[in-house]
Amino acid sequence: EPEVTQTPSHQVTQMGQEVILRCVPISNHLYFYWYRQILGQKVEFLVSFYNNEISEKSEIFDDQFSVERPDGSNFTLKIRSTKLEDSAMYFCASSASGLAGSSDGYNEQFFGPGTRLTVL
Amino acid sequence: GQQVMQIPQYQHVQEGEDFTTYCNSSTTLSNIQWYKQRPGGHPVFLIQLVKSGEVKKQKRLTFQFGEAKKNSSLHITATQTTDVGTYFCAGREYGQNFVFGPGTRLSVLP
Repeated sequence: EPEVTQTPSHQVTQMGQEVILRCVPISNHLYFYWYRQILGQKVEFLVSFYNNEISEKSEIFDDQFSVERPDGSNFTLKIRSTKLEDSAMYFCASSASGLAGSSDGYNEQFFGPGTRLTVL
Repeated sequence: GQQVMQIPQYQHVQEGEDFTTYCNSSTTLSNIQWYKQRPGGHPVFLIQLVKSGEVKKQKRLTFQFGEAKKNSSLHITATQTTDVGTYFCAGREYGQNFVFGPGTRLSVLP
């Protein structure tokens, strides 16, 4: 069964450093998302991406965050200057259709296993 | 902005007992999704509800979308230890992104 993969599984970085989190979405999916989950808390939407551009982003997704699809398979999240409060699990997700569609099941989001980011 | 709440926060049940978690949105939703997250795992999609008053069943799980499309529930009949995890609802307003609720953590005692 196709799945979303993410690397690395755990990233430890010093405050102020840049990190890049990588994701390989399911191959025939067109919509990609990043979420974060601070330990023990709820899942928070960061950004959605379609047709090589950001379609929506949340208040969390400020200027220190950026996303990119550098080739036909990878989808990356970059945090330019990490802060202690960026420590969280970051999940990538993909879907066959966008969130604007209301067709039953077509915008099911498939989540990757996550990257645990620890900022020291 | 839109807020999504869930109750209860935690639920401990004996295996075989039923379990229900409730999801409430501060605004009318376009659709709602339910996810399950096992301890240490990632969210796994369970179902999407779109229509007012919709009820869907998956084996022992029953999902319901309220008539006003502002609340939803997930009911598990005769829980099993494999049901352990956190159940999140995620609601979406028209044209907006999904907002996840805080989740209900279910423990099932054998």
